[in-house]
Amino acid sequence: EGQLVESGGGLVQPGGSLRLSCAASGFIFNSYNMNWVRQAPGKGLEWIAHISTSSSTIYYADSVKGRFTISRDNAKNSVSLQMNSLRDEDTAVYYCARVDWGSLAFDIWGQGTMVTVSS
Amino acid sequence: QSALTQPASVSGSPGQSITISCTGSISDVGSYNLVSWYQQHPGKAPKVLLYEVTKRPSGVSNRFSGAKSGNTASLTISGLQAEDEADYYCCSFAGSSTIIFGGGTQLTVL
Repeated sequence: EGQLVESGGGLVQPGGSLRLSCAASGFIFNSYNMNWVRQAPGKGLEWIAHISTSSSTIYYADSVKGRFTISRDNAKNSVSLQMNSLRDEDTAVYYCARVDWGSLAFDIWGQGTMVTVSS
Repeated sequence: QSALTQPASVSGSPGQSITISCTGSISDVGSYNLVSWYQQHPGKAPKVLLYEVTKRPSGVSNRFSGAKSGNTASLTISGLQAEDEADYYCCSFAGSSTIIFGGGTQLTVL
């Protein structure tokens, strides 16, 4: 059916940077929009970024706009999230997810990668 | 933008039905039939249960159903089973190319 595998999480100091990657397999990657969703410890889900199939359309939540950059490489079946100027409140599990933007169905999720921002 | 409002917890006995509400505003739930629901078991990734308010992906049990009235969407689970014990999240398009999730509801099967 399809699989997503995130990587790149870890411990970073406030103000630092981290790059997350998500490898896709089992589906035609360049036919699907991709998103990142995060979940702070013990908290709910928060949508943070969207990228269309050809990277022509990109959206961000206000909480990360100007600090995070989503990108994709269709040749490598991967999507990335470059996170700069990290804050304590960015501590969360970060999920990449395949989405049908027209129906708002996040139908495939990765297992998540933990990002901890702490000094 | 604030999260959609869901009850923090609901509970029910096996075989019963429960309903989880998801209240937004005219800017999100009230304006778009783009509401989806997700089930998340502890330590696991979310799983889509419903999209476009009432549609079920293939493989999702018909015990899960959705509805919407005004600014409030709802998820009903009928014939509760022990495996339904999980966290549930609603999600809505919020205009301006943004998406908003609910705060989540913890379902306990007694």
